[in-house]
Amino acid sequence: AQTVTQSQPEMSVQEAETVTLSCTYDTSENNYYLFWYKQPPSRQMILVIRQEAYKQQNATENRFSVNFQKAAKSFSLKISDSQLGDTAMYFCAFIASYGNKLVFGAGTILRVKS
Amino acid sequence: DTGVSQNPRHKITKRGQNVTFRCDPISEHNRLYWYRQTLGQGPEFLTYFQNEAQLEKSRLLSDRFSAERPKGSFSTLEIQRTEQGDSAMYLCASSKLLPTANTGELFFGEGSRLTVL
Repeated sequence: AQTVTQSQPEMSVQEAETVTLSCTYDTSENNYYLFWYKQPPSRQMILVIRQEAYKQQNATENRFSVNFQKAAKSFSLKISDSQLGDTAMYFCAFIASYGNKLVFGAGTILRVKS
Repeated sequence: DTGVSQNPRHKITKRGQNVTFRCDPISEHNRLYWYRQTLGQGPEFLTYFQNEAQLEKSRLLSDRFSAERPKGSFSTLEIQRTEQGDSAMYLCASSKLLPTANTGELFFGEGSRLTVL
């Protein structure tokens, strides 16, 4: 069974600064996808960024980028130029390429301070 | 594309009562998922449908829980004889299964929050 671990329950960052959220996972699969989802307070969860395991290049989406280390089974999210609207719960998630369901970590609460 | 819609958004009930939640997925999505999320935790998988077929149920889904997706469109999640431990946010998500691989992106609704007194 796959597991996803987020070891930082809460993080804070000053507006305009950079923050990195950590995620590790455990799987015996070779082909899979990794995701970071954002859940703002009282709002629905939305996809932030996705990484295919077969791609060596780290995914980037505007201010969001990942550091994907397949051998270490590590998948961190870097948020540059943090904005107040980035305040949310962030979940790391995993799915095998032919799997049936996303497996989520416990989440990291990110607070961006002005 | 109106997104995933869930109703009701919040339900307060007394222990022992039955409750039903409804989810309307994005229209062309053939997969529909139910997850449960308790405060400060990540979503936990409950069950999923591919079209109208319920293909997997988690061990978290006790006999008091039942889910349906008639005609492969909307889905309902019913909880019978509710217990205080059922208090949680119930999230519905949908996705489109591609022929080549499961890209895994789920589109979530805003959730239905259940409070059992």
